[in-house]
Amino acid sequence: NAGVTQTPKFQVLKTGQSMTLQCAQDMNHEYMSWYRQDPGMGLRLIHYSVGAGITDQGEVPNGYNVSRSTTEDFPLRLLSAAPSQTSVYFCASSYSDRSQGSPLHFGNGTRLTVT
Amino acid sequence: KNQVEQSPQSLIILEGKNCTLQCNYTVSPFSNLRWYKQDTGRGPVSLTIMTFSENTKSNGRYTATLDADTKQSSLHITASQLSDSASYICVVSAVNSGYALNFGKGTSLLVTP
Repeated sequence: NAGVTQTPKFQVLKTGQSMTLQCAQDMNHEYMSWYRQDPGMGLRLIHYSVGAGITDQGEVPNGYNVSRSTTEDFPLRLLSAAPSQTSVYFCASSYSDRSQGSPLHFGNGTRLTVT
Repeated sequence: KNQVEQSPQSLIILEGKNCTLQCNYTVSPFSNLRWYKQDTGRGPVSLTIMTFSENTKSNGRYTATLDADTKQSSLHITASQLSDSASYICVVSAVNSGYALNFGKGTSLLVTP
């Protein structure tokens, strides 16, 4: 049981390049999400999904796209990278019943630098 | 605006000593509060969850308290170990807020030999 797996661990992009951050979970969680973590700030929600075929925007969605074709995978696409997108990105999943306060299970992050 | 404030921002303690981290929030109506531990270079891991009716909950050497009246929570670490060195993040959710969570900025704890 690997939990939440993110790839790559590190990535350097030039401004304007595009890339996809991969996220996969093997816990059959309905809910998956992407956060970014910047120094001196709390985690901020980018996009989330409550099941295959369903996605929605979070607090900071601009510049990012997501899709959810399977329960297991939730890739995050940067369409045209900007230096402001330099950050550590975390994928997280949980059971969808938030009323019970299901904990988020986080991957170990992708550290992205845009030059 | 829902806010979560953690203090101190950072803390250094000697191995074996106890410490207490604070979390104050303005999130309303309150649903639950969760403490996460984030080791350097890793994702956060849940330590404990507090709901409205709970005052204290323990997880090994970690004890969380909640005062819903004053909107404060604390995380007490007993007999600290070097492996406790990490960032501790307080996360508060509101009733009927869907999937929105309110994250604190975290307290960075360093335990030294």
